[in-house]
Amino acid sequence: RKEVEQDPGPFNVPEGATVAFNCTYSNSASQSFFWYRQDCRKEPKLLMSVYSSGNEDGRFTAQLNRASQYISLLIRDSKLSDSATYLCVVKRAAGNKLTFGGGTRVLVKP
Amino acid sequence: NAGVTQTPKFQVLKTGQSMTLQCAQDMNHEYMSWYRQDPGMGLRLIHYSVGAGITDQGEVPNGYNVSRSTTEDFPLRLLSAAPSQTSVYFCASSSRLAGGGRSTGELFFGEGSRLTVL
Repeated sequence: RKEVEQDPGPFNVPEGATVAFNCTYSNSASQSFFWYRQDCRKEPKLLMSVYSSGNEDGRFTAQLNRASQYISLLIRDSKLSDSATYLCVVKRAAGNKLTFGGGTRVLVKP
Repeated sequence: NAGVTQTPKFQVLKTGQSMTLQCAQDMNHEYMSWYRQDPGMGLRLIHYSVGAGITDQGEVPNGYNVSRSTTEDFPLRLLSAAPSQTSVYFCASSSRLAGGGRSTGELFFGEGSRLTVL
């Protein structure tokens, strides 16, 4: 079983709609969680950290469910520019490694 | 603002050839790392370094060597290229991961190097 798993998608989303997707992690010692965004043929970039109480950054909301070991990302009022692959990233309490999920592809269409 | 610079951007090798992917960062980051990205596999950590003179293996280190003689540079060497090493390689750096523990998690990536091994 992969340490971090994501639905690869694609999630086809009408412009203006809301889309949400999850990421599951297998190691209960995971401490820190992040969402990265990767545009086609580009490098990944940090979108947002995920805090225990949940957090928002504009139209993006991230949630953490430690009991069920998953994190989620919700995008409201989707824009064409939100089309990208969203990578779930997990860090254990000890060590210096970030583990990436395979990514969820989101396509926002007019 | 250069950030993380990788060269070359594209490379085609024959099986058995060796080459070095260069990575340099100008942000004075202690932590540097190399990932490879393959379809459906996500980014997998090859090697990383928490400071000059210190390197360690990641998830998929076989067939690759690294060294960290300066804070700025972290080259990745393919000793004898194999078709299984065809991939997109990303170098990344961070100011916060070197110490372990809680982290902002922000890795700054280079633009990637697309390697094809025939």
